[in-house]
Amino acid sequence: QSVLTQPPSASGTPGQTVTISCSGSKIGSNFVFWYRQLPGTAPTLLIYRNNQRPSGVPDRFSGSKSGTSASLAISGLRSEDEADYYCAVWDDRLSGLFGGGTKLTVL
Amino acid sequence: DVQLVQSGGEVRKPGDSLKISCKASGYTFTSYWIAWVRQMPGRGLEWMGLTYPADSDTRYSPSFEGHVTISADKSINTAYLEWRSLKASDTAIYYCVLPEIIRGGGADYWGQGTLVTVSS
Repeated sequence: QSVLTQPPSASGTPGQTVTISCSGSKIGSNFVFWYRQLPGTAPTLLIYRNNQRPSGVPDRFSGSKSGTSASLAISGLRSEDEADYYCAVWDDRLSGLFGGGTKLTVL
Repeated sequence: DVQLVQSGGEVRKPGDSLKISCKASGYTFTSYWIAWVRQMPGRGLEWMGLTYPADSDTRYSPSFEGHVTISADKSINTAYLEWRSLKASDTAIYYCVLPEIIRGGGADYWGQGTLVTVSS
C-alpha cells in the first residue's frame, strides 16, 4: 500500500526557517497538499496543488515538489507555528492519502 | 459561505450501531464529492472514503471498506458515516471534508469533527 513518509518531529527557534519533507511514489503524479492542525481543532489547508497558498495564509509558508518528494518551508518561525503538519495527495480516483504527520516544536 | 456542521459526540458500546452526520450549506451539495477522514487518539489523519451525493457513487479506502458505510441524502444536504457493529478501535474523531482538489478555488472545508467513543 502506498505511503507518504514525513519525519515525526521537527524543531526550530523563532525567526529560523524550518523545512518539513514528505516522500512517496504517489507524489510523482499527483498534487501535494499541506495541512496544519492545532491541538483540539480540525486541520486547516496551508498549501494546495504543490505550491499555492490559500487566501489568508502568510507567505512565510511555501511548498515545493520534485519527483516523488515534497517540502513545506516555514520561514520567520513563530511560537504560534507550533502544531502538527500533514502532507496529503489525492489521486485521479479521488483517493486520498495523508502522511504520518510532523510535530513542529518552536524552541 | 461553505459550512460543514457535524453531529455531536457519541458514546457507544462495542457491537452497537451508529450513524453520524455532516450537514452541508453554502454550495451545491450534489455537485461535489464529500469525504470522511479519521483521526484516532494521538494519531494522524486517515482518508476513509467519499461519496457523490448526486448519484450516491461511493469509494472507500481498502482499510475501511466493509466496516463503514458512507452515504448522503441530497434532499437535506447531509452526508453520513455509519457503522453496523462498532469496535473499541473505532474510537476516534471523524471529520467530513470538502477538499480543494474536488471543489477547487483554493480552499478546503472541514467539519468540526465528531468524537466517537466506543467503550464497554
